[in-house]
Amino acid sequence: GQQVMQIPQYQHVQEGEDFTTYCNSSTTLSNIQWYKQRPGGHPVFLIQLVKSGEVKKQKRLTFQFGEAKKNSSLHITATQTTDVGTYFCAGSTSGTYKYIFGTGTRLKVLA
Amino acid sequence: ETGVTQTPRHLVMGMTNKKSLKCEQHLGHNAMYWYKQSAKKPLELMFVYNFKEQTENNSVPSRFSPECPNSSHLFLHLHTLQPEDSALYLCASSQVGEGTTSINTEAFFGQGTRLTVV
Repeated sequence: GQQVMQIPQYQHVQEGEDFTTYCNSSTTLSNIQWYKQRPGGHPVFLIQLVKSGEVKKQKRLTFQFGEAKKNSSLHITATQTTDVGTYFCAGSTSGTYKYIFGTGTRLKVLA
Repeated sequence: ETGVTQTPRHLVMGMTNKKSLKCEQHLGHNAMYWYKQSAKKPLELMFVYNFKEQTENNSVPSRFSPECPNSSHLFLHLHTLQPEDSALYLCASSQVGEGTTSINTEAFFGQGTRLTVV
């Protein structure tokens, strides 16, 4: 079945350092979404990428969708303690009505 | 408040008990989902309902039984569970288009039910 892997599984950074998580799908996707889950919370939608090679920015967050639409990345510049949480990518294939979530990257920011 | 409400928030049940988890969405979406989140397998898709029809059952054991009486409500009936079923159960909803070229929109999650099987 379709699998979505993320690396790294965990990342500890000093506040102010950059952070990147990578997402790889075993199959070609129609779109990819990113979610953030704070400790004790539920996943919250961040952004969706649809086009091959697409790059989107949200303040300090930069999202990329690979040319082959099988991989994606999330980069955070100058991390803050509010960035703490687990970041998930979720891949979809057209007409399937489902989201396959990646394994997640847990980010810890040390003040 | 996400527009998706799950009850109860916490549940402790014995292996011989029968209980139900409830999810209600107030967003007018046409698709609803059950996910299981545990330390070993984060965000594992269990069931998908689209237009009240079950379109996906990801090899979930029969001790988990979903029910979707209408597009706003989703239940997960539990019976004779095992300790390894202890996890956070998350409900989500989204608006999906029809046809093979439709793009899924964002999923809205409820707060989850923390289930402990003793």
